[in-house]
Amino acid sequence: GAVVSQHPSRVICKSGTSVKIECRSLDFQATTMFWYRQFPKQSLMLMATSNEGSKATYEQGVEKDKFLINHASLTLSTLTVTSAHPEDSSFYICSARLGRAYNEQFFGPGTRLTVL
Amino acid sequence: GQNIDQPTEMTATEGAIVQINCTYQTSGFNGLFWYQQHAGEAPTFLSYNVLDGLEEKGRFSSFLSRSKGYSYLLLKELQMKDSASYLCAVTDSNYQLIWGAGTKLIIKP
Repeated sequence: GAVVSQHPSRVICKSGTSVKIECRSLDFQATTMFWYRQFPKQSLMLMATSNEGSKATYEQGVEKDKFLINHASLTLSTLTVTSAHPEDSSFYICSARLGRAYNEQFFGPGTRLTVL
Repeated sequence: GQNIDQPTEMTATEGAIVQINCTYQTSGFNGLFWYQQHAGEAPTFLSYNVLDGLEEKGRFSSFLSRSKGYSYLLLKELQMKDSASYLCAVTDSNYQLIWGAGTKLIIKP
């Protein structure tokens, strides 16, 4: 099956710093990747849709200048949390989609971000 | 608006059967997914339905009725490891995946 990796799995940083999270599709090319955030005991919240070679589409309420997304290749998308604050502490999960019509998303293992 | 409803939490006994329901109202329909998510982990794919009827895969089955906007996930011979959240997600006419809030399933010995 399709494998998606995510790095790092855990990160602890100080308030005000920036953190980059990488999402890679290991054995397939993903024209579309998705970034989710999940707070404890809550469901997935889609943050943005990342299309290779174009700007990401952000969901309402998500600050595009704070959560920078780059999808430079068909196998890599990055999410940078800029000037992180404690309220940004969350579980960030990426997923990749094989094709538009079928729409199954393959999830990375997630990144636990803790901002002190 | 688009809406997916599923129960917040369910409890069942090890070895028993449980059915988790999902109703949806979306702009168009291009398939319904069920995912399993253990605490602290990413979701994993369980099933996909695009036509009406029952899809069986081992201990897990998923049913779809498009006319009723309804699906259920049936788990048989429950095991303790089945304790997890189960997420229902629907693909709408724009091929956007609309997520339910998830059902937390608690299995008791």
